[in-house]
Amino acid sequence: NAGVTQTPKFQVLKTGQSMTLQCAQDMNHNSMYWYRQDPGMGLRLIYYSASEGTTDKGEVPNGYNVSRLNKREFSLRLESAAPSQTSVYFCASSEKSLASETQYFGPGTRLLVL
Amino acid sequence: QKEVEQNSGPLSVPEGAIASLNCTYSDRGSQSFFWYRQYSGKSPELIMSIYSNGDKEDGRFTAQLNKASQYVSLLIRDSQPSDSATYLCAVKNSGTYKYIFGTGTRLKVLA
Repeated sequence: NAGVTQTPKFQVLKTGQSMTLQCAQDMNHNSMYWYRQDPGMGLRLIYYSASEGTTDKGEVPNGYNVSRLNKREFSLRLESAAPSQTSVYFCASSEKSLASETQYFGPGTRLLVL
Repeated sequence: QKEVEQNSGPLSVPEGAIASLNCTYSDRGSQSFFWYRQYSGKSPELIMSIYSNGDKEDGRFTAQLNKASQYVSLLIRDSQPSDSATYLCAVKNSGTYKYIFGTGTRLKVLA
């Protein structure tokens, strides 16, 4: 049981290049999320997917696209990277029961855009 | 006004003391409240969730919620150097799937 996995762990891009960040979870969770974390800014939601087949914008969606490929996988794409997208990106998934809800995070992808 | 506010710290406490971390939020519709711990260079991990007014205890951790004052806190008893980390407060409205995070409070427990 790996939990939430992300690839790659590190990436350096040049301005204008594109890339896709991959995320997968093996906990059979319906909801999945992409966040970015910048110093002093906390975690900011980019996009989320409440269930397979649905995606919605979060707080900072500009410059990103997402695909919920199936229940397990949720990818984040940067079509034309900009230095402002230098950040640590976290994928998360969540489950909700009658009594509680828990969000689990992946290990993160550290992205540097030059 | 930020939706979820935390003092960035650092909050320094001696080993064995009680660390008190605070968080205020602006959305009165918030129903679920969470505390995450994040070690430097690592991902956040959930340590406490609370949904009703009052206190909730789990080991050395106690979460306190006061919806009228829009205030949630985390107490760490018998603080250990291993508790040194950034603590993130998050809130969620029951009508959405979105978690709103504060910027975190950095805690340093001095041996």
